[in-house]
Order: sequence, then structure tokens, then C-alpha cells
Amino acid sequence: DIQMTQSPSSLSASVGDRVTITCQASQDITKYLNWYQQKPGKAPKLLIYDASKLESGLPSRFSGSGSGTKFTFTITTLQPEDIATYYCLQFDSLPLTFGGGTKVQI
Amino acid sequence: QLQLQESGSGLVKPSQTLSLTCAVSGGSIGSGGYSWSWIRQSPGKGLEWVGHIYHSGSSYYNPSLQSRVTMSVDTSKNQFALNLTSLTAADTAVYYCARVGFAYDFWGQGILVTVSS
Repeated sequence: DIQMTQSPSSLSASVGDRVTITCQASQDITKYLNWYQQKPGKAPKLLIYDASKLESGLPSRFSGSGSGTKFTFTITTLQPEDIATYYCLQFDSLPLTFGGGTKVQI
Repeated sequence: QLQLQESGSGLVKPSQTLSLTCAVSGGSIGSGGYSWSWIRQSPGKGLEWVGHIYHSGSSYYNPSLQSRVTMSVDTSKNQFALNLTSLTAADTAVYYCARVGFAYDFWGQGILVTVSS
């Protein structure tokens, strides 16, 4: 199984800050990496697919980059509504595996 | 807009079988290019891929659950299902159904399943 190591597990930031989360895969997954946002009591919501493609209709402050084994998710200007837990998911090979999550707090 | 809705038993006794259904509306489960998946999340913990199934019936399961899980699809009712046998407390989780394209782009709201006597 491909292990996804996500860091940090939590962070505290201020409105307007730049926030960066990383995911490292235990083997090459090329570009097949998704990022999801989950708010309490809700299902995860797709933000980024194929490492860097922004899901339609979402604000441009969300972005993703990386390839191979190292990936980064960035919120350029943190908004209050961005308070959530963020997960990466490798979509390269079965079994699909998620990172452990990053809880973003203000 | 595609919508998915889970239903099924919310409280199940240890050793029994979990049966969940995901009803799909606003689109056909038989449309090409997609598969249909179950993901679960234990209380306060992360997300775990359970498996997915195509409208043809071809399915893929997490090896950690392989011996206990079965998925099925009913294109006439536009729904798919999950059965998980020999339940233990470790199977207590919120179970989500989702559509799989380039990613999990549509999700159900989730259903809490508690395994307890």
C-alpha cells in the first residue's frame, strides 16, 4: 500500500495568512493526488485533483502543486470559512489511501 | 446536480452484517466513465477507502476488508450497496458513498453506523 504522510497535523493561523500543507507519498504517484476539505459533521469536499487542477467554481486562493512523491496544498489568503480539516488522497493505485489530515484553526 | 443518499442500519450488533444502500439522483449510475465508492471515517479519525464498483458490477475492495466486504449495483433502481460481515467495534464509523471520476467529486452526507450490543 502507498503511505501518505501529511504535515502538519494541525496549524493555527490568522485571517489573511498564507497556509501550506504537504503530503509525501511512499512511492511515485505521478500527478494522481487530490486535496479535500472537511468541515465538522460534513462530507469531504473536493478542492484539487491531479495535484494542481482546481475544482470548478472554487476560489483561486486554493492551489496545489507537486509531482512524484511530494505535494503541496496552499491557501494564499486564509478566510474564516476555510477553518476545516484538509486531507490528501492518492489516486494512483489501489488501495486508495488518504493522508492523516491537517486541522486548520484560527 | 448529482445527489447521493446513504440509507441502512445505524446500529448493528457485533458479529452481524452491515447493509447500506446509496441512492443516486440527478444522474444515471450507468453512465460511462465513473465508478461508485464507499469510504468510511471512524469517530475522530481519518478516512479509509472501503472499495468501489462499476455499473458493470466489477468491484475492487480494500485488502484490509476484502474477506468481509461485498458491493453490488442495481442500475434499474439507480443505487449501489455495501455489505460488511462479521462486524466488530472497529467497524463503527461514518460511511460515505461517493462518485469516482478523476476524484471523489460527489459525496453523500454520510451515515453513522455503530457496532454495539
